[in-house]
Amino acid sequence: EAGVAQSPRYKIIEKRQSVAFWCNPISGHATLYWYQQILGQGPKLLIQFQNNGVVDDSQLPKDRFSAERLKGVDSTLKIQPAKLEDSAVYLCASSLDGGGRAEQFFGPGTRLTVL
Amino acid sequence: SQQGEEDPQALSIQEGENATMNCSYKTSINNLQWYRQNSGRGLVHLILIRSNEREKHSGRLRVTLDTSKKSSSLLITASRAADTASYFCATVDRGSTLGRLYFGRGTQLTVWP
Repeated sequence: EAGVAQSPRYKIIEKRQSVAFWCNPISGHATLYWYQQILGQGPKLLIQFQNNGVVDDSQLPKDRFSAERLKGVDSTLKIQPAKLEDSAVYLCASSLDGGGRAEQFFGPGTRLTVL
Repeated sequence: SQQGEEDPQALSIQEGENATMNCSYKTSINNLQWYRQNSGRGLVHLILIRSNEREKHSGRLRVTLDTSKKSSSLLITASRAADTASYFCATVDRGSTLGRLYFGRGTQLTVWP
């Protein structure tokens, strides 16, 4: 079974530029998550999708972050404009169950450096 | 904000020794999960323990949960160099319909050959 795919693996941009990350979840997983992991910390949920609808974006800085999941499969996360504090690893995860009763499968992440 | 807090922050042991990591949390939970993260990689799910369970085993892993103390422990027996990684506990709040996971800061385990 193929895992969660993410691209790119690394991205370096200057502040105020924009950047986009892509995620392809495990086939059949209705729930998709985007996490931000700052160095030395655990992942923090940014947004959760159930199929193509957003069910939790309470922690997403909506003035600069946006995400979509067209057709309920792939998802993109965008930052515009980026700030220095956005430097982090952005992890995508998917799950069969959106209620937290099942494990989440994580992709390898995209390491973003904002200069 | 993060929910679980792992202790210790870092642990260094020799191969063959047992490694114990602890997790404390603050709210009532539905379940608690442990994940492993190798350097530069995504997280891998290890074990999920529900609030009405006290102990679970998976291979060399043993997880305990004490809801009265709001704490959990992860024991890795007969550790190997390949167990070197960061270990995170994550909780799902009781009554949560969305099942958001709250992660701690993790324990960095180093196993020396």
